[in-house]
Amino acid sequence: RKEVEQDPGPFNVPEGATVAFNCTYSNSASQSFFWYRQDCRKEPKLLMSVYSSGNEDGRFTAQLNRASQYISLLIRDSKLSDSATYLCVAYGGSQGNLIFGKGTKLSVKP
Amino acid sequence: EAGVVQSPRYKIIEKKQPVAFWCNPISGHNTLYWYLQNLGQGPELLIRYENEEAVDDSQLPKDRFSAERLKGVDSTLKIQPAELGDSAVYLCASSRAGGAGDEQFFGPGTRLTVL
Repeated sequence: RKEVEQDPGPFNVPEGATVAFNCTYSNSASQSFFWYRQDCRKEPKLLMSVYSSGNEDGRFTAQLNRASQYISLLIRDSKLSDSATYLCVAYGGSQGNLIFGKGTKLSVKP
Repeated sequence: EAGVVQSPRYKIIEKKQPVAFWCNPISGHNTLYWYLQNLGQGPELLIRYENEEAVDDSQLPKDRFSAERLKGVDSTLKIQPAELGDSAVYLCASSRAGGAGDEQFFGPGTRLTVL
């Protein structure tokens, strides 16, 4: 079983839609969590950190449920420019490294 | 501020040939990472350096892969000999330190094709 699991998608949504991505992690010792964004044939870039209290950055909301070992990302009012792959990431474990999920591909259509 | 620099951006070689990738991290970043990313997968850590010390190389296939960061700045990752299954994107990343609070910045990657 992968340490971080995500639905690979693709999610095809119209502009203006709200879309939610889910992620689960298996290592209860994981300390911190993040969402990275990766555009096609580009490098991953940090989108936002994820806190237990939930955090919001503009149209993006991330939430963490430690009891269920579950992380989510909500994107409201989708834009064409949101089209990318969203990587769920956990930090921690025995070596204290980032563990990436496979990513969820989002395609926002006009 | 310049980002993480990697070269070459693309490399095509025949199997059994050697290949090397170079990375220059962001100035002042002590921690350097090499990741492997296969198509449709997330990046997977190969090796992590704190300054010139490799602090985690547990996922580096040491029979054919080697890496160095001699002066604690730039780094080289080598594969010798390359196999067909090594075709992937090799990403370098750096951070100020190796903790959870230190954002990792990725370079553009080297796309390796082994024929």
